[in-house]
Amino acid sequence: AQKITQTQPGMFVQEKEAVTLDCTYDTSDPSYGLFWYKQPSSGEMIFLIYQGSYDQQNATEGRYSLNFQKARKSANLVISASQLGDSAMYFCAMREGGSGYSTLTFGKGTMLLVSP
Amino acid sequence: NAGVMQNPRHLVRRRGQEARLRCSPMKGHSHVYWYRQLPEEGLKFMVYLQKENIIDESGMPKERFSAEFPKEGPSILRIQQVVRGDSAAYFCASSPSTGGETQYFGPGTRLLVL
Repeated sequence: AQKITQTQPGMFVQEKEAVTLDCTYDTSDPSYGLFWYKQPSSGEMIFLIYQGSYDQQNATEGRYSLNFQKARKSANLVISASQLGDSAMYFCAMREGGSGYSTLTFGKGTMLLVSP
Repeated sequence: NAGVMQNPRHLVRRRGQEARLRCSPMKGHSHVYWYRQLPEEGLKFMVYLQKENIIDESGMPKERFSAEFPKEGPSILRIQQVVRGDSAAYFCASSPSTGGETQYFGPGTRLLVL
C-alpha cells in the first residue's frame, strides 16, 4: 500500500485565490511527521511546512497552512492568495518514528499552475 | 549561511562509465540522506549516513552503487558502470540530528547516461 497518496496530478488556480493540495498517509506508528516540499521548474526541493503527529494545532508558515485531520489521516496543504511564483510541483512526505533516524517517504506530487 | 551544496549540478556519462556525486551538508549538520528522483516521480530514499558510518542503505541498489561520508570532506554517492536507467535527479539532504528534524535538500545533481 502507498504510504503517501497525492490524488491530484495537476491543479489550476487563478492568482490571488486559495488552493488546497490533498495528501493522505498510511502509518501504524503513533509518532510521525508530515512535510510539504515545493519543487519549482529549476528543480530544487524547498521545505515549506512541517506537522508533527502530536501537534495540537495546524501548522502555519506565512501563506502556507497544513490542514491536519488525524482521524482521516490527511495532511492537506492550503496556499492562500496564490501567486504566479507558486507554480511548481508540490510533494507531501512522511517521516515515521519519533526517535532515532528516520527517512522520508514521498508522494508522487501535484503540479500546481497559477494563472494570471 | 550556506545551504546544502551538491556538485556537479549536471553530469553526463556514457554507459559503463563511473559517476561521482558530491554533497556538502549544511554547517552543523552531521546527517546526510541521498534520494533519487526518476522522471515524473517523487523522491525515493537511497541511503542515510553519519560521519564515517552508513546507518541505513536499504534503498540502495545492491550492485554498482556505494556511498560514503568521510570524517573530512563531502559525502560521495558513487555509481559504477552506469546504465541508461540510472538517469535521474539525485538529491542530498541533511539534518542536524536524528528523529523529528527537518531535512533540508540540496539543489540536486541531474545525471544523464547516454
